[in-house]
Amino acid sequence: DVKVTQSSRYLVKRTGEKVFLECVQDMDHENMFWYRQDPGLGLRLIYFSYDVKMKEKGDIPEGYSVSREKKERFSLILESASTNQTSMYLCASSFRATTFLTEAFFGQGTRLTVV
Amino acid sequence: GQQVMQIPQYQHVQEGEDFTTYCNSSTTLSNIQWYKQRPGGHPVFLIQLVKSGEVKKQKRLTFQFGEAKKNSSLHITATQTTDVGTYFCAGPTSGTYKYIFGTGTRLKVLA
Repeated sequence: DVKVTQSSRYLVKRTGEKVFLECVQDMDHENMFWYRQDPGLGLRLIYFSYDVKMKEKGDIPEGYSVSREKKERFSLILESASTNQTSMYLCASSFRATTFLTEAFFGQGTRLTVV
Repeated sequence: GQQVMQIPQYQHVQEGEDFTTYCNSSTTLSNIQWYKQRPGGHPVFLIQLVKSGEVKKQKRLTFQFGEAKKNSSLHITATQTTDVGTYFCAGPTSGTYKYIFGTGTRLKVLA
């Protein structure tokens, strides 16, 4: 079974802290994604990566950065956490097919609270 | 920018009633996927539709992809309490590997 593992299920951080959310997948997937999920807004893409050291901004990248130094690991960084970044963060991965998207596998999510 | 809307946002049904959620994209999609997220869980892939007008069934679930490939629907026949959750559609952003997700429909089934 494909496994996507996020480093923490719950996190509480203070305003202004630098926060690292880690995601690891074990299926050699090329694509990795970070989403945030808020009630009524669905899943919004923050950043995605289609290969090692490659990244693209999603719909809401402001206040976030990412790092992909190894194929299996994709990190989301909140440079200076703010209360409006309190949310559920979901990591996902997928194979990169040539003609259409393949199934995305999600991690269990990290519920981040910024106080 | 490209948008994917789902309606309704919420739906409460009595167990045994049918349920339908609709997904509408502002642009043509090469393919569409459906995911289910149980309460407290993460989205899990259900199915992918690729062809215009395609219809696929999974037991009590029927998925359709519109002729113009801009809309899709998920119909559940005779809902059960195990159907509770949020259903999302997702499609690729044009020319990229990025998935854009719909806003989701939250289904509650009353026993």
